[in-house]
Amino acid sequence: KQEVTQIPAALSVPEGENLVLNCSFTDSAIYNLQWFRQDPGKGLTSLLLIQSSQREQTSGRLNASLDKSSGRSTLYIAASQPGDSATYLCAVSSGSEKLVFGKGTKLTVNP
Amino acid sequence: DTGVSQDPRHKITKRGQNVTFRCDPISEHNRLYWYRQTLGQGPEFLTYFQNEAQLEKSRLLSDRFSAERPKGSFSTLEIQRTEQGDSAMYLCASSPQQGGTEAFFGQGTRLTVV
Repeated sequence: KQEVTQIPAALSVPEGENLVLNCSFTDSAIYNLQWFRQDPGKGLTSLLLIQSSQREQTSGRLNASLDKSSGRSTLYIAASQPGDSATYLCAVSSGSEKLVFGKGTKLTVNP
Repeated sequence: DTGVSQDPRHKITKRGQNVTFRCDPISEHNRLYWYRQTLGQGPEFLTYFQNEAQLEKSRLLSDRFSAERPKGSFSTLEIQRTEQGDSAMYLCASSPQQGGTEAFFGQGTRLTVV
């Protein structure tokens, strides 16, 4: 059974700092890994999708990497801004069509 | 393309009542998913459809839950005889037919059972 873990559970940083969010998964046989952002009381916004054959994806200040063999992914956020404050969720698709999510990392960027 | 749309956004109901939620996926997306998210947790898979066929159901989906996707377009999720433990955010997502593609989520329906 696939399990996804995100560390840390919460993170508070000053504005402008670069930061890394971690995601690990137990079964390396995945189709893809997706990072989402969730604002309080809202749905999920897709940030980046990494296919199993890829090593990383970039979008603006965001860079996500994938090491399938070790079961790890990182989301790097450059020059953080208060507007980046949200919960970041990692999810993997493996074996079936469903996504298995971690519990998320709650990020607070202080002005 | 207006994205995945869910209705209602919020629902408060008394224990024992039935509720129904609607999801309109992105047009031309053949796959539609339902997830449930409780406070402080990641979303958990409930069920998914390819076109009108319901292909997988989680054990979380008890007999009181039923989902449909008539004609392979919008979907409904019904909960009968609601219980306080059903209080959660119900999220709908859609994706194109090919496997390994990006999933797009709606804004969710927040259910509170009192």
